Amino acid sequence: SYELTQPPSVSVSPGQTARITCSADALPKQYAYWYQQKPGQAPVLVIYKDSERPSGIPERFSGSSSGTTVTLTISGVQAEDEADYYCQSVDSSGTYVFGTGTKVTVL
Amino acid sequence: QITLKESGPTLVKPTQTLTLTCTFSGFSLSTSGVGVGWIRQPPGKALEWLALIYWDDDKRYSPSLKSRLTITKDTSKNQVVLTMTNMDPVDTATYYCAHRLAIYDVFDIWGQGTMVTVSS
Repeated sequence: SYELTQPPSVSVSPGQTARITCSADALPKQYAYWYQQKPGQAPVLVIYKDSERPSGIPERFSGSSSGTTVTLTISGVQAEDEADYYCQSVDSSGTYVFGTGTKVTVL
Repeated sequence: QITLKESGPTLVKPTQTLTLTCTFSGFSLSTSGVGVGWIRQPPGKALEWLALIYWDDDKRYSPSLKSRLTITKDTSKNQVVLTMTNMDPVDTATYYCAHRLAIYDVFDIWGQGTMVTVSS
């Protein structure tokens, strides 16, 4: 089955840059999407179609793709960015898959 | 403004069938490309996609849970129903429904979620 692997945790100081990777185990890679989830809340979409930002999402959130790996970058991290982040994609049969999740800690 | 809200039992016994309803507003499930999906999250664990129903009644299921899941829609009531049979304590989780964008395979708006505990 299609799997998306993320690092369990990323720690970053305020104002620094956080990078979260999401690696797919197969080709071709479909578009990837990123969600932010704060404790006790539903996920919020922060990046779609690998690198597009929905309206209302701060510019410090960006996405990129290379080969079978996509990356979510948070530039100038703020305390409010502390959350769990999940990537998501779809395999060739139309099955939706979420990544393993990454906890971002702001030091 | 799109909103979704999940409803259903908070406690079910092992082997019972869970029925969850997603009631939505702000969009029509008869609009081409649109879908409603179900995703769950056990306490402290990752998100897991369960099922999706499209505007044309096409249905997709998680391969690992396909035998236990059924998703249906009632367009006139703006509702999507998910049933999961043979519930087990490992199915204890928060269950979310979410709106699928018409042109991308992404859930752009989520409900608040409903916590379901499986225990005797």
